[in-house]
Amino acid sequence: GDSVTQMEGPVTLSEEAFLTINCTYTATGYPSLFWYVQYPGEGLQLLLKATKADDKGSNKGFEATYRKETTSFHLEKGSVQVSDSAVYFCALNPNTGFQKLVFGTGTRLLVSP
Amino acid sequence: DSGVTQTPKHLITATGQRVTLRCSPRSGDLSVYWYQQSLDQGLQFLIQYYNGEERAKGNILERFSAQQFPDLHSELNLSSLELGDSALYFCASSVQSAYSGANVLTFGAGSRLTVL
Repeated sequence: GDSVTQMEGPVTLSEEAFLTINCTYTATGYPSLFWYVQYPGEGLQLLLKATKADDKGSNKGFEATYRKETTSFHLEKGSVQVSDSAVYFCALNPNTGFQKLVFGTGTRLLVSP
Repeated sequence: DSGVTQTPKHLITATGQRVTLRCSPRSGDLSVYWYQQSLDQGLQFLIQYYNGEERAKGNILERFSAQQFPDLHSELNLSSLELGDSALYFCASSVQSAYSGANVLTFGAGSRLTVL
């Protein structure tokens, strides 16, 4: 079935460090891919998305490229801030006729000053 | 504020009891989704409704049921509660139900259920 695998957390970085959170997926067909972020005590917010191979999603300095050949959608940011501390979820929509998001387990990011 | 409203924010109850969680979707959204977030299972899709009709079912237990009303708000009913039902329950909404990879789900802040 469809699944998403994320790197285990927590990821601990100092402010201004480079961030990579790995995400790989398994899906039949042509899924759409998403990164959602969950700040403490809040719901999930869409961070970025990509709907086809080689698309790059970007928002707030975060980027991720849909790589079909490696079935990956790694999240990157060049310089993290303390305010980026949150849990990041990679997700896919199988695009099999109805809307359903399959989530990874989430990766907690902790950024220290 | 995402525009998706969930009540109550927190709920503490005992095993064997029944609770109802409520969700008001974002204005204009016809689809409502329920997700359960627990420490051991992560985010699990439970069920989806579109314009009052059930459209998709995920890992929803038989003790759980949901419905979407004519005004598009939705309720998730959890009965015969067990300790393992303690979790965050999220509601999300989207504009449409049909195939659309770009269709984005907007999440509410969640209802935290604690079963003692």
